[in-house]
Amino acid sequence: RKEVEQDPGPFNVPEGATVAFNCTYSNSASQSFFWYRQDCRKEPKLLMSVYSSGNEDGRFTAQLNRASQYISLLIRDSKLSDSATYLCVVKTGGFKTIFGAGTRLFVKA
Amino acid sequence: NAGVTQTPKFQVLKTGQSMTLQCAQDMNHEYMSWYRQDPGMGLRLIHYSVGAGITDQGEVPNGYNVSRSTTEDFPLRLLSAAPSQTSVYFCASSYAGDNYGYTFGSGTRLTVV
Repeated sequence: RKEVEQDPGPFNVPEGATVAFNCTYSNSASQSFFWYRQDCRKEPKLLMSVYSSGNEDGRFTAQLNRASQYISLLIRDSKLSDSATYLCVVKTGGFKTIFGAGTRLFVKA
Repeated sequence: NAGVTQTPKFQVLKTGQSMTLQCAQDMNHEYMSWYRQDPGMGLRLIHYSVGAGITDQGEVPNGYNVSRSTTEDFPLRLLSAAPSQTSVYFCASSYAGDNYGYTFGSGTRLTVV
């Protein structure tokens, strides 16, 4: 079993739709969680950290469920510019950082 | 600030050749790391450093060497290139601690023929 698993997609949604991605992790000692965005042939860029209480940044909402060991990313009112691959990232203390393989999102006009 | 600068952006090597991928950051980040990204496999850690003079192996270190003589620079050396090392390589840096995310360089696309 992979330490961090994501649905690879692709998710194809129309503009204005709400889309949600989930990511599960296997190590219960994991301490920090992030979502990154990666555009085609570009480097990953930090989208947002994920806090236990849940956090929001504009149209993006991230949540953490430690009991079930998953994190989620909700995108509301999808824009064409949201089309990208979204990477789930888990830090497990020290320097161990695990990247999920990513979920591809296509937003259509 | 330039952030994380990687050079070169593209490189083609013949099997058996060696080369060094350069990485520099100007954010005074303690942590630096090298990842490779292959289709469907996500980012895999090659080597990392928690400070000048300190390096350690990641998940896939074989065939690569690193050194960190300064806080700013973290070069990755391919000792004897193999086709299996064809990949996209990213350098990343962050402040120390679990609550900080990484800043990535723009990547090096390496092809070994």
